Amino acid sequence: DTEVTQTPKHLVMGMTNKKSLKCEQHMGHRAMYWYKQKAKKPPELMFVYSYEKLSINESVPSRFSPECPNSSLLNLHLHALQPEDSALYLCASSQVEGATGITRGTEAFFGQGTRLTVV
Amino acid sequence: DAKTTQPNSMESNEEEPVHLPCNHSTISGTDYIHWYRQLPSQGPEYVIHGLTSNVNNRMASLAIAEDRKSSTLILHRATLRDAAVYYCILTGYSSASKIIFGSGTRLSIRP
Repeated sequence: DTEVTQTPKHLVMGMTNKKSLKCEQHMGHRAMYWYKQKAKKPPELMFVYSYEKLSINESVPSRFSPECPNSSLLNLHLHALQPEDSALYLCASSQVEGATGITRGTEAFFGQGTRLTVV
Repeated sequence: DAKTTQPNSMESNEEEPVHLPCNHSTISGTDYIHWYRQLPSQGPEYVIHGLTSNVNNRMASLAIAEDRKSSTLILHRATLRDAAVYYCILTGYSSASKIIFGSGTRLSIRP
């Protein structure tokens, strides 16, 4: 199974709502990522988890809260979002080097994304 | 983070080879060169990666310059399905676990 599964595929939420995006992989990868992609732009890295610990936060606003409950699951909790947060949210996973916990020279697998609309 | 530079767009004819260039003049000795592509309405897809030597797989070939400051992704026989945005990305100790996408090259294929 070489898939990264993201749910839901589409989500519409109000600015006062709380919702969560879910990402799952069963490839034994120990690095997982969240990206945000606006139309006609490249994906922007938001968070990286390595061995279920948050290793990189690219100065993302606190209304986005990641969680990695186990090595197969990655969640992104959303609260009090703004309309400009509407975008495609992508999850990815990859192997890491055992000693360093770094992703290097290995293939990353991406999900198909969750299309989020904030109204 | 080491940067890559790619042309904004390229066009090619179906069934002809395509050479997509990437400059990475600040690459460090431990950085790998990766290529991903993103088809319309899909997540990015891995294409190929290499360190120093040229690499071939079922999708493409990667030619790496001897000084490693540039590389070229080669699609041997383009099909309409290869129309996508192609991203050249470096991964290594200097970028920790970041996989950073630049602006990429939008490849169009003429039938």
